[in-house]
Amino acid sequence: ELKVEQNPLFLSMQEGKNYTIYCNYSTTSDRLYWYRQDPGKSLESLFVLLSNGAVKQEGRLMASLDTKARLSTLHITAAVHDLSATYFCAVDRGETSYDKVIFGPGTSLSVIP
Amino acid sequence: NAGVTQTPKFRILKIGQSMTLQCAQDMNHNYMYWYRQDPGMGLKLIYYSVGAGITDKGEVPNGYNVSRSTTEDFPLRLELAAPSQTSVYFCASSYLRRHSTDTQYFGPGTRLTVL
Repeated sequence: ELKVEQNPLFLSMQEGKNYTIYCNYSTTSDRLYWYRQDPGKSLESLFVLLSNGAVKQEGRLMASLDTKARLSTLHITAAVHDLSATYFCAVDRGETSYDKVIFGPGTSLSVIP
Repeated sequence: NAGVTQTPKFRILKIGQSMTLQCAQDMNHNYMYWYRQDPGMGLKLIYYSVGAGITDKGEVPNGYNVSRSTTEDFPLRLELAAPSQTSVYFCASSYLRRHSTDTQYFGPGTRLTVL
């Protein structure tokens, strides 16, 4: 059974600091997603990582995937308040649809001035 | 395009009542999905559909039913509501996944409380 863990589950960080969120999963997969969810809102797709060594960046967020270590990281650079949200990683073992996607528990990020 | 829409946004049910959560998409996606999100948890798949007339169970289907009579609509039915079904329900849709940029599109959610 595929399990997806995230660390930390809660993160409070000061503006301007850097931090990394970790996503570990228990079985092989070469497709991983990162989502952002603002309070009371739906999920917004941030990154799709498709292969070992994949790295994607958007603004102050950078995501990477190490399929051999079964690990993905979401790195936050010089955090700003607007990044406060819950971040989910999700691991996909499907082929053509998303019915085999398993979500992690989420990391609740709070960026304080 | 409205994308994925869900109604209602909020609902309170009494134990034993039934209701239908509506989901519609206007992107001509073949695939549609229902998830539930419990507090502090990730999403869990309830049911999904690969096209009109075809549905299948996800990870947590008990207590729910679905139908898919059209490409656009994918309602989720709760029969005999129980407190354990208190959750936020998200509908999503997607194309058949072929390209690296393909992704799911999520609706705004329905917050359901069963008392």
